Amino acid sequence: KAGVTQTPRYLIKTRGQQVTLSCSPISGHRSVSWYQQTPGQGLQFLFEYFSETQRNKGNFPGRFSGRQFSNSRSEMNVSTLELGDSALYLCASSWGTDTQYFGPGTRLTVL
Amino acid sequence: GQQLNQSPQSMFIQEGEDVSMNCTSSSIFNTWLWYKQDPGEGPVLLIALYKAGELTSNGRLTAQFGITRKDSFLNISASIPSDVGIYFCAGQLPGQGAQKLVFGQGTRLTINP
Repeated sequence: KAGVTQTPRYLIKTRGQQVTLSCSPISGHRSVSWYQQTPGQGLQFLFEYFSETQRNKGNFPGRFSGRQFSNSRSEMNVSTLELGDSALYLCASSWGTDTQYFGPGTRLTVL
Repeated sequence: GQQLNQSPQSMFIQEGEDVSMNCTSSSIFNTWLWYKQDPGEGPVLLIALYKAGELTSNGRLTAQFGITRKDSFLNISASIPSDVGIYFCAGQLPGQGAQKLVFGQGTRLTINP
């Protein structure tokens, strides 16, 4: 069974731009969660989608948004990028409320 | 936000030594998880703990869910070079949703051959 895939793996943007990251969960998994990982703050929960609905949300500004499609694939969008948004963005999938499996991440650099 | 205090932050050991790391919190957790992350990759689940007092092994790895539900430890026996990486504890708070994990800051393990 294929694991969680994330695209792109690396991305460079400039301040003020917006970015969309994609996550394809493990086949059969209906929950997709997003996390931001930075050296200073560590791993922080962004939000979780289940059956196309946001089921849980972390403490991030409204510039961070996401959505999930009927095939469980998910995208997250960051608008008006700031230097501090540079991070590894990780996606994790699970069948429902069970253990999450992480993808390799998308490394975003904001210049 | 809610914090998990993970220690030590880094460890430098000789190959073959045993390793111990732990996480503590002032809050009760429903679930404790231990992940390992290699450079350029996402965290990989090592052990999941669901009940207070639970002791679980996965090969050379052993982890326990503390009786108070506020702590957990991970032991690695007879370390080998491929154990190098960053180890994270993660927990699920009651009422927060199973997918909203809180992570520790990580323990970076370095092994001298």
